[in-house]
Amino acid sequence: QVQLKESGPGLVQPSQTLSLTCTVSGFSLTSNSVHWVRQPPGKGLEWVGAIWSGGSTDYNSALKSRLSISRDTSKSQVFLKMNSLQTEDTAIYFCTTGGVMDAWGQGASVTVSS
Amino acid sequence: DIQMTQSPASLSASPEEIVTITCQASQDIGNWLAWYQQKPGKSPQLLIYSATSLADGIPSRFSGSRSGTQYSLKISRLQVEDTGIYYCLQRYSNPWTFGGGTKLELK
Repeated sequence: QVQLKESGPGLVQPSQTLSLTCTVSGFSLTSNSVHWVRQPPGKGLEWVGAIWSGGSTDYNSALKSRLSISRDTSKSQVFLKMNSLQTEDTAIYFCTTGGVMDAWGQGASVTVSS
Repeated sequence: DIQMTQSPASLSASPEEIVTITCQASQDIGNWLAWYQQKPGKSPQLLIYSATSLADGIPSRFSGSRSGTQYSLKISRLQVEDTGIYYCLQRYSNPWTFGGGTKLELK
């Protein structure tokens, strides 16, 4: 069955770079897109960006200058890198897949704090 | 970017009632609209896709509709387990955008 699992540091210092990994199973990255969605504490969902089956990417307009999404198809992993982190980037970061995002990971909690 | 205005922000209803949540798109998005339910501490779950299609395993008391650029999620015969926060999502154009969410509580 389709599974996704996020991993990464729970705590990142302000101005530093966040690196998250989404490890997937049950489907191929060359046939399915993977999206990142985040949710600040007590707030709504925000689409962060996506890497499509062909390898192209799209990003949230507000985050585009700080964001990079890439993948390693041989390892079934998708990577999110976001630089110049601020406290407002504190959130749970989900990876999700499917044409309609019908499969989600459990989320990775990221706190930006010194 | 396409804006999705979701209403109401919160609502409280009794079991067996019918509730409706709406999302207004800032421009035409066709049927590229999905609805999700999120329970506390959990990942979102897909309910409806393509504006009106029920996702696998979702009870038939959930339904979606469209009128122009306004989209609605209707929950018939509300059940206790339907409490949570509901979000719409447009995937017509990048960047994809979510509505602000509707918190549903049962009386």
